[in-house]
Amino acid sequence: DAGVTQSPTHLIKTRGQQVTLRCSPKSGHDTVSWYQQALGQGPQFIFQYYEEEERQRGNFPDRFSGHQFPNYSSELNVNALLLGDSALYLCASSLEERDRVTEAFFGQGTRLTVV
Amino acid sequence: RKEVEQDPGPFNVPEGATVAFNCTYSNSASQSFFWYRQDCRKEPKLLMSVYSSGNEDGRFTAQLNRASQYISLLIRDSKLSDSATYLCVVRGNDYKLSFGAGTTVTVRA
Repeated sequence: DAGVTQSPTHLIKTRGQQVTLRCSPKSGHDTVSWYQQALGQGPQFIFQYYEEEERQRGNFPDRFSGHQFPNYSSELNVNALLLGDSALYLCASSLEERDRVTEAFFGQGTRLTVV
Repeated sequence: RKEVEQDPGPFNVPEGATVAFNCTYSNSASQSFFWYRQDCRKEPKLLMSVYSSGNEDGRFTAQLNRASQYISLLIRDSKLSDSATYLCVVRGNDYKLSFGAGTTVTVRA
């Protein structure tokens, strides 16, 4: 059983460019969340997708957008990249069950460097 | 105020020692609590959930104090392989996980 997979693993972009990161959830999971982890910090919640809709959003600007596909995979898009967007971007998947959400499993992350 | 605050450490301990550290959370409506482990440049992995009555998993013991809004993790008989960053994680009555910045533990031979 493949866990959460993310692509690419590393990426270098120039300030002002746009980037798309991809995530395939763990088999059987229907919920995908995205997190940004800056160096020396804990992951910060960007947003969560469930049933192809953005269900909750963290304190991130509109430059950060996403999408969930019918097969539950997800994309994170960041427009107009800033140097401060350099971070490890983590995707986490879980399963929505009645009255609870199962354990969140994380992918290995995409390390984005903006120069 | 940050939602979850942790002592960053680092805690540098010899093999076989006991190490313990805490975190505090600000949202009194928080419902679920976890400790995640993160190795250098890797993804976080669930170490254990934390229950109100406290719980143990092998050499790891977690405690939750809802009145004071803090969570603790104790590691007994430390192994070299316990060297990592330990992330305190809280979920409120919404869907997101709120992470602390992590506590770094280094176990030396």
